[in-house]
Amino acid sequence: DAKTTQPPSMDCAEGRAANLPCNHSTISGNEYVYWYRQIHSQGPQYIIHGLKNNETNEMASLIITEDRKSSTLILPHATLRDTAVYYCIVATGANSKLTFGKGITLSVRP
Amino acid sequence: GAVVSQHPSRVICKSGTSVKIECRSLDFQATTMFWYRQFPKQSLMLMATSNEGSKATYEQGVEKDKFLINHASLTLSTLTVTSAHPEDSSFYICSARALQKETQYFGPGTRLLVL
Repeated sequence: DAKTTQPPSMDCAEGRAANLPCNHSTISGNEYVYWYRQIHSQGPQYIIHGLKNNETNEMASLIITEDRKSSTLILPHATLRDTAVYYCIVATGANSKLTFGKGITLSVRP
Repeated sequence: GAVVSQHPSRVICKSGTSVKIECRSLDFQATTMFWYRQFPKQSLMLMATSNEGSKATYEQGVEKDKFLINHASLTLSTLTVTSAHPEDSSFYICSARALQKETQYFGPGTRLLVL
């Protein structure tokens, strides 16, 4: 599976949009982009995933560039409870191994 | 989203004893479950892939005789840490893939402390 690169950390103000970038320049045509987050001392929580098209659900939006080499997770109105480590992972599907990198630590400030 | 539970959430045991951790998919059937381990301030590391009705596939460096995995039904997988030692103290997390879904859902994790 392709590797991903994320900045180590970022912060944003409560109520503002949080835009979390991810680079996956070696992604293959059959690989999805998955986003999970892990709040301290809990199991990872699924956020969203996509293949080519942009996706939106009740938690977030996923914007994938046309060449699929990068993506951005958007939390439209960040709250303090969104403070967590966010992992961007590329994989061929749910049965494939999810390789967790270091992720990006998002800190939402009041 | 789909719900995955783990039991127990926390366990403390003496060195040399065995500990069993259960992973259940509560509202869906899972043909495949995964077991991860996470040490403090580190990321999750996949230990093994568990398929219902067949032997688990272990990642390189994970001892299959030490970490016994049983996936007896479409909703239950168990991980048994045999003869646990202090270095096995960690956060163990399972995930499950729902049938006909492209997503893995994770349990809340089990914190193991071996004294």
